[in-house]
Amino acid sequence: GAGVSQSPSNKVTEKGKDVELRCDPISGHTALYWYRQSLGQGLEFLIYFQGNSAPDKSGLPSDRFSAERTGGSVSTLTIQRTQQEDSAVYLCASSLALSEASPLHFGNGTRLTVT
Amino acid sequence: GNSVTQMEGPVTLSEEAFLTINCTYTATGYPSLFWYVQYPGEGLQLLLKATKADDKGSNKGFEATYRKETTSFHLEKGSVQVSDSAVYFCALRPMNRDDKIIFGKGTRLHILP
Repeated sequence: GAGVSQSPSNKVTEKGKDVELRCDPISGHTALYWYRQSLGQGLEFLIYFQGNSAPDKSGLPSDRFSAERTGGSVSTLTIQRTQQEDSAVYLCASSLALSEASPLHFGNGTRLTVT
Repeated sequence: GNSVTQMEGPVTLSEEAFLTINCTYTATGYPSLFWYVQYPGEGLQLLLKATKADDKGSNKGFEATYRKETTSFHLEKGSVQVSDSAVYFCALRPMNRDDKIIFGKGTRLHILP
């Protein structure tokens, strides 16, 4: 597809379960970002990839959160032992990192609900 | 460090009113500046951008001018419409390509008919 693709679009899980969220960036985009957006709130930065490496993991809320990117393309965000406060929309975005003027292209997000 | 500060909302205006949403930034050198918009029920999308001092980004009747002297990138529109109701985010991309893109907290705009 032409845009950033995220799956699943919706995920309902029980407290304590692990979840895995997937992001397929635009082909050729080397930079990939994960953000979290809670209801009515702004964007909370989680982690950023340049290729397969993550120069900045400072936004991950706890050690229950991890992310990886393989082949410079698909990324997965894993949340272990989910808690109710993890409920939010998780957004992925990608960009051409070679140019400082490159904007981010966002996916439609994964809405995570922890019951 | 790099940061973006934008005016808190919500902002409520009547249709055809003039809109300004303030955005100021802190960064070294010459970052690129962006405004993103999130319409109700939709994902974030780029509204406009500017990459150097005195550049003016424009789209859909919105404008923002990159002011280095005041480190600002205020969003303006001369006559808003109900369809402009959305959340607007100011963002900064540092000159150092290893530094992450920074977003403001967003400003919710309500336009009344």
